[in-house]
Amino acid sequence: SQKIEQNSEALNIQEGKTATLTCNYTNYSPAYLQWYRQDPGRGPVFLLLIRENEKEKRKERLKVTFDTTLKQSLFHITASQPADSATYLCALGHSGYSTLTFGKGTMLLVSP
Amino acid sequence: SQTIHQWPATLVQPVGSPLSLECTVEGTSNPNLYWYRQAAGRGLQLLFYSVGIGQISSEVPQNLSASRPQDRQFILSSKKLLLSDSGFYLCAWTNLLTGPTGTEAFFGQGTRLTVV
Repeated sequence: SQKIEQNSEALNIQEGKTATLTCNYTNYSPAYLQWYRQDPGRGPVFLLLIRENEKEKRKERLKVTFDTTLKQSLFHITASQPADSATYLCALGHSGYSTLTFGKGTMLLVSP
Repeated sequence: SQTIHQWPATLVQPVGSPLSLECTVEGTSNPNLYWYRQAAGRGLQLLFYSVGIGQISSEVPQNLSASRPQDRQFILSSKKLLLSDSGFYLCAWTNLLTGPTGTEAFFGQGTRLTVV
């Protein structure tokens, strides 16, 4: 069956460092992958989308990579700030389907 | 601009009682609409999605149902709640079919449902 894995343990880093979150998937051939941010008690907010024919996408301090051979996406936040503390979800979309499949998310804690 | 409204924000209901959660979208036409549930320590589970009025697809068989009486209105219902229905319910929309190019999903603020 299809499976999306994100590190269930919280990632603790110091302010100013680069945070790297991982999303691995199996039994899936996504057409694209998305990353969302979710704050406690709130709905997820879209951050970035990367398509299967793209290796890397950047937006301000955010960078996403997509390796369809490794079946993995890496999400980087450079110069992290305490305000970046949240849970980050990856989601996969399949060509021709109307739905996204989400991972469980990884909590990021940035300490001052 | 587009906005999505979901209410209520929190809800405490006894076992066996009915449920109705409503979601409306403004500023767009013909959205795809979705209901997700997020249980503690678990990911977002897709419950229902709709690509048009009266068209509902169920992803997981359960005690819940969904309806889309209007283009921008999506309702999640239950006739009799179970304890296991507790969770964080999220409504979302996308503005077209998520084909090869993909499109982002916009989420509401969620409803925290506690069944007691």
